Amino acid sequence: QKEVEQDPGPLSVPEGAIVSLNCTYSNSAFQYFMWYRQYSRKGPELLMYTYSSGNKEDGRFTAQVDKSSKYISLFIRDSQPSDSATYLCAMSAILGGSQGNLIFGKGTKLSVKP
Amino acid sequence: DAGVTQSPTHLIKTRGQQVTLRCSPKSGHDTVSWYQQALGQGPQFIFQYYEEEERQRGNFPDRFSGHQFPNYSSELNVNALLLGDSALYLCASSPSGYSYEQYFGPGTRLTVT
Repeated sequence: QKEVEQDPGPLSVPEGAIVSLNCTYSNSAFQYFMWYRQYSRKGPELLMYTYSSGNKEDGRFTAQVDKSSKYISLFIRDSQPSDSATYLCAMSAILGGSQGNLIFGKGTKLSVKP
Repeated sequence: DAGVTQSPTHLIKTRGQQVTLRCSPKSGHDTVSWYQQALGQGPQFIFQYYEEEERQRGNFPDRFSGHQFPNYSSELNVNALLLGDSALYLCASSPSGYSYEQYFGPGTRLTVT
């Protein structure tokens, strides 16, 4: 079992739809949870990060973490064609008092159709 | 703010050769991490540098080595290239103690033939 599982999609939605992207993980030591957006042939762009459980909102994006279920989600409201990209979840644990390296999911490819 | 920069953008090498990739971190960041991203996969952690020393290392062979300079810029070296080393190599920088807040560069696409 991989440490982080993410459905690679592809996921296709109409413009204006609410998009739900998810990851599951197996390592209970993960404390930080990140979402990155990666356009084709570009580096990943940090969208949001969350510490431990709970919700975090930033504009049209909402990140949720449920540590009891080892499940994280990213919701995109009022999706736009410009949101078409690959979305990567990433996680890290605290090692010896400092944050560890990032463990990524495979990424979900999202396409928002006009 | 220029953000994280990497050079070169693309590189084509032959099996057995050696390659050096370069990274300049975002202004104010002193920690640099390197990742390998194969096509259709998420980035995989290679190693992290802080204060010119390798602080953490992922599951990569010794053919992969690095260096960090006093100005926080970094190099990734790969020796004895294999076909399987073909990938997008990403550099990410973060402030010390905030490794969860990593900002990535555009990457160097390495093709080994």
